[in-house]
Amino acid sequence: QKEVEQDPGPLSVPEGAIVSLNCTYSNSAFQYFMWYRQYSRKGPELLMYTYSSGNKEDGRFTAQVDKSSKYISLFIRDSQPSDSATYLCAMSGDTGGFKTIFGAGTRLFVKA
Amino acid sequence: GAGVSQSPSNKVTEKGKDVELRCDPISGHTALYWYRQRLGQGLEFLIYFQGNSAPDKSGLPSDRFSAERTGESVSTLTIQRTQQEDSAVYLCASSLVSWGAAEAFFGQGTRLTVV
Repeated sequence: QKEVEQDPGPLSVPEGAIVSLNCTYSNSAFQYFMWYRQYSRKGPELLMYTYSSGNKEDGRFTAQVDKSSKYISLFIRDSQPSDSATYLCAMSGDTGGFKTIFGAGTRLFVKA
Repeated sequence: GAGVSQSPSNKVTEKGKDVELRCDPISGHTALYWYRQRLGQGLEFLIYFQGNSAPDKSGLPSDRFSAERTGESVSTLTIQRTQQEDSAVYLCASSLVSWGAAEAFFGQGTRLTVV
């Protein structure tokens, strides 16, 4: 079993839809949860991160962490064609014994 | 440089040849990762370096793959006797530390094509 599981998609939605992207994980010691966005032929870039459980909102994006279920989500409201990209979750512990673990990424297509 | 630099950006090689890919991380970043990304696929972890600790090689797919890093600077990923299934984009990332919310900065990747 991988430490981080992420559905590769692709996920195709119409413009304006609410998108839900998810990851599950197995290591209960993870404390930091990150989302990266990767456009075609580019390297991934950090979108947002959350510490421990709870929600974090940034414009149209909301990151949600449920540590009891070992489940994290990224919601995109009012999705735009420019949101079409691959979204990767990533997570880490908070000591030097950890490395950041990335999910495989979910490909998202937002149709105009 | 300002970001993670990878070279070459593109590499076409014949099956059976060896290739060497280079990554220049951001200065001062102690953690360095190599990933492989096949066309339309997600990131596949290959190897991880953290400071002077022994590298985590758990993601290397076969003994044809190896990587080195000199201190906290340049890293090279070597693929010996390349096969067509090695065709992919090889991404390097570095971060200030390996844990917490330390942002990993990615290079643009080396697109390897084995013909």
